[in-house]
Amino acid sequence: SQQGEEDPQALSIQEGENATMNCSYKTSINNLQWYRQNSGRGLVHLILIRSNEREKHSGRLRVTLDTSKKSSSLLITASRAADTASYFCATDGGYGNKLVFGAGTILRVKS
Amino acid sequence: EAGVVQSPRYKIIEKKQPVAFWCNPISGHNTLYWYRQNLGQGPELLIRYENEEAVDDSQLPKDRFSAERLKGVDSTLKIQPAELGDSAVYLCASSLDRVSETQYFGPGTRLLVL
Repeated sequence: SQQGEEDPQALSIQEGENATMNCSYKTSINNLQWYRQNSGRGLVHLILIRSNEREKHSGRLRVTLDTSKKSSSLLITASRAADTASYFCATDGGYGNKLVFGAGTILRVKS
Repeated sequence: EAGVVQSPRYKIIEKKQPVAFWCNPISGHNTLYWYRQNLGQGPELLIRYENEEAVDDSQLPKDRFSAERLKGVDSTLKIQPAELGDSAVYLCASSLDRVSETQYFGPGTRLLVL
């Protein structure tokens, strides 16, 4: 069963625009992670935010976490064609618990 | 540093046939995961190993799926017999240990059962 639900399911933007993806989850978490998957490839870890953090940055990525609403958002600024991929949020319930992925958001960046 | 290696990358078989997938994790990573990813979905954990021990196999369909991780390094996931619904991408991932939060994924094996 999937814990997280991403919104939107698909997003198409022009190169240079910002892309925002949202993730909602159901149970308490230790941390929330975002992964990227290019077509036909494995997943690549992008960023991790812990339950006691509200915002985190990494390069052009900005992640927010609202544990009261059980939601997170991933913002990619100044998007590039190479950002075209599927983006998944994954929740980690804590020590020894498994990583549970959402269904993902398909991002297409047009050049 | 070499990443997680999986083989084969693609496999097409007829239903009721057996199939096996192989995974070589990142050197020194004690924890190994097998996931199944259906089309349009996120990965779902099948089994997690801590060294040689399977510590979470609650999602593994044990009637037809089996896995092993001999010597705590390479791992093999087997399906016998395969069913049409087993068509999916099978992903292997590894992490340094069970406390490590980041998992490193291999490219996956895309299985098509006809």
